[in-house]
Amino acid sequence: AQTVTQSQPEMSVQEAETVTLSCTYDTSESDYYLFWYKQPPSRQMILVIRQEAYKQQNATENRFSVNFQKAAKSFSLKISDSQLGDAAMYFCAYRSKSQGNLIFGKGTKLSVKP
Amino acid sequence: EAGVTQSPTHLIKTRGQQATLRCSPISGHTSVYWYQQALGLGLQFLLWYDEGEERNRGNFPPRFSGRQFPNYSSELNVNALELEDSALYLCASSAGHPQDEQFFGPGTRLTVL
Repeated sequence: AQTVTQSQPEMSVQEAETVTLSCTYDTSESDYYLFWYKQPPSRQMILVIRQEAYKQQNATENRFSVNFQKAAKSFSLKISDSQLGDAAMYFCAYRSKSQGNLIFGKGTKLSVKP
Repeated sequence: EAGVTQSPTHLIKTRGQQATLRCSPISGHTSVYWYQQALGLGLQFLLWYDEGEERNRGNFPPRFSGRQFPNYSSELNVNALELEDSALYLCASSAGHPQDEQFFGPGTRLTVL
């Protein structure tokens, strides 16, 4: 069975600085999808960034980028130029090509200090 | 375009009762997923429906069940409620392919007393 581990329950970053959130996963599959979702306080979960395992190039979405290390089964999220609105729970998630459901890590609570 | 909607927003039940939660997917989406977000446990997958059929089920007892209607909306039923069923229940929808993004609703907060 696939598992997703986020080893940092809480992180803090100064506004305008860069922060990296860690995620590791375990799977025997060779092709799959990885995601980072953001859940602001009392607001809906939204997709931040997506990576397809067969693509070697790391995904980037504006200030958000990932460091995907397939052999190490690592999928970290880097947030550059952190903004107050980035404060939220961040969830790393895995999705098999054959199964529709997401498998989530337990999340990292990110605080942004002004 | 309307997003995923869920009702009710909050639901308070007592132990042993039944709860029914509802979800309307984004127009054109055929897949609906249910997740439980309990305090300290993260998000756990409950059920996946696509084209009216149950496609996959998470590691939850049979008293968690659901269905998907012809208009692709979905219902989650929880029978014989237990205190530990208290959680935020999130519904998500997608177009049905594994690479498609799942869009989440605001959730239903279920409290079991």
